[in-house]
Parts: sequence; structure tokens; C-alpha cells
Amino acid sequence: AQSVTQLDSQVPVFEEAPVELRCNYSSSVSVYLFWYVQYPNQGLQLLLKYLSGSTLVKGINGFEAEFNKSQTSFHLRKPSVHISDTAEYFCAGTRYQGAQKLVFGQGTRLTINP
Amino acid sequence: DTEVTQTPKHLVMGMTNKKSLKCEQHMGHRAMYWYKQKAKKPPELMFVYSYEKLSINESVPSRFSPECPNSSLLNLHLHALQPEDSALYLCASSHPGVPGYTFGSGTRLTVV
Repeated sequence: AQSVTQLDSQVPVFEEAPVELRCNYSSSVSVYLFWYVQYPNQGLQLLLKYLSGSTLVKGINGFEAEFNKSQTSFHLRKPSVHISDTAEYFCAGTRYQGAQKLVFGQGTRLTINP
Repeated sequence: DTEVTQTPKHLVMGMTNKKSLKCEQHMGHRAMYWYKQKAKKPPELMFVYSYEKLSINESVPSRFSPECPNSSLLNLHLHALQPEDSALYLCASSHPGVPGYTFGSGTRLTVV
């Protein structure tokens, strides 16, 4: 079965510092991967997605992620974070293009300290 | 229109009440989903509708009853809920052949 693992439940960083949120997936077939952000009391917003092609994916709000097939990873990075980036981040994957079941990681709480 | 709209945003209901959650999208997506999210947890899939037909039911108790009247609308009918059903209920939609969802902002449900 496909699974998605987020290696850190909480990541505290200082404002303007770089950050990496780690995500590993398991799958023996083609996979589509996503990062979603959830601000307090809101729904999930798509940050970026990997479908195929270039392994470096750029998303909204200055985030990017790199798909690494050999390491089965899809880590999320931002070179300089802001207070407004404080949120819950979810990595997710699916093998299907039709009606899909997205498999979510457990989430990483990113806290930005001034 | 690139949004999934959920109403109401907040709902408080008693254990004997009947209420409904509504979800609407006008992006031409033909798959729609209900997820349940408890605090500090990832969303959990409840139901999937594909072309207005129920395709996945993740063993959800019958006190939750989904309905898809047309390709733009998805409802979740609630009856005789328990306090442990209190959660954020998220609706999502997706386009055939395009991986990934668009989520709504959710309905915060409290059962008293």
C-alpha cells in the first residue's frame, strides 16, 4: 500500500531563516505528490505538486520541492521564512488520475519565531 | 471560478438533530470528496463521488449520509451524531485525469 511519511511533527525556525520539511513516500509505481498548507481554522491550500517532468517544482509563497526518486523523497524548502508561514503542512500522494484517494502524511507544524 | 464553497462555516447541533452540510464547485470537476479532520491530524477520507455516483465509502457510520444531486453539488446529511463526530469537515473536488484536489475551507461541526 502506498504511504506518505512526514519525518518531523514540529519544526521551529527563526524568521528569515531557511527551512526544509521532510516527506518520504513509498510506492512501486508512478506517483503524484503534493504539498498542502493549512492555516488555523481554514481548509487546505495547494502549495505545489509533482506530476512528471522536472524534479524541482516551484510553488506559491516562495516554496519549492524536489522529487527524488532514488531516495523516495519530496522535501519542501523555503530559503527565508516569514511569520505568516506559521501553519500546518501536509505532504500527500496518489497513484490515480481519476477519482482519487489522496494519502496524507501526519503533518508538520511549522512555527516561525521572531 | 476556482473555488470550492462550503456552507455553513460553523455548525453546532444536538445529538438528536438533523442537519446538512453543503459543498459547491463550478470548475467542471467530476469527482467530489468528503473528508473529516480532527484537531492536529491529517484529513481522513469519508466518501468519494465520481460522475455523481458514490464510488468510495470508507466504512463511514450510517449517521452520515452523502448525496450528490448534480455535478456541482455535494451534500452531507447528518443525523443522530455523537460528540466524537465533532471535527472539521472538508469538501474537495478534482478534474478527471488531473491529479490533485481543490479543497473548500471546511465546516467546523460541534456536536453537543
